[in-house]
Amino acid sequence: QQPVQSPQAVILREGEDAVINCSSSKALYSVHWYRQKHGEAPVFLMILLKGGEQKGHEKISASFNEKKQQSSLYLTASQLSYSGTYFCGTERAGGTSYGKLTFGQGTILTVHP
Amino acid sequence: GAGVSQSPSNKVTEKGKDVELRCDPISGHTALYWYRQSLGQGLEFLIYFQGNSAPDKSGLPSDRFSAERTGGSVSTLTIQRTQQEDSAVYLCASSLDGLRGRTDTQYFGPGTRLTVL
Repeated sequence: QQPVQSPQAVILREGEDAVINCSSSKALYSVHWYRQKHGEAPVFLMILLKGGEQKGHEKISASFNEKKQQSSLYLTASQLSYSGTYFCGTERAGGTSYGKLTFGQGTILTVHP
Repeated sequence: GAGVSQSPSNKVTEKGKDVELRCDPISGHTALYWYRQSLGQGLEFLIYFQGNSAPDKSGLPSDRFSAERTGGSVSTLTIQRTQQEDSAVYLCASSLDGLRGRTDTQYFGPGTRLTVL
């Protein structure tokens, strides 16, 4: 099943913060976050492994709540370059998982000056 | 090359024709994935290769779709008798090792935009 992302779209002013959520109905092994700009390939941001680990990348960080099977991406002090569509990709726990990712529908983030 | 490359970047074809899309993964990456992205949609998994084998073809939409990988490197996705609903961006990604127990970053190519008239 496809993970559910929320919100579907966010509009920010430079310097504002945003949170993007990704929820799954299945037990997860990992959550991957990507950003895709229009007409370009998705670019990897970070991986969260089960265990509630929180990671950071400059002013972008993320957490993974294993109990809720939910990951959140935090963008602080947003910059114009943050604009794009953010996708979470989830890897299911157990079974014969090999790194196959199921992607959410995406969250469109627009940052205005 | 440094990254994943795909060709052609754009392909316009007539309904009923066959098309071949090519993916060159990052050198040394054993895992290769094909995804499809329709306009405004997320990424839909099509097929996964580990080396030249395809352990998971579950995402291929119909028997008109097939893919192969040779030499553990280049992969070709073939769509036979194309239909208008096949129009989408086809993305290829590779990772160092997709085996169980390893969660590796998938690096995406720029995609091939397919338009079926």
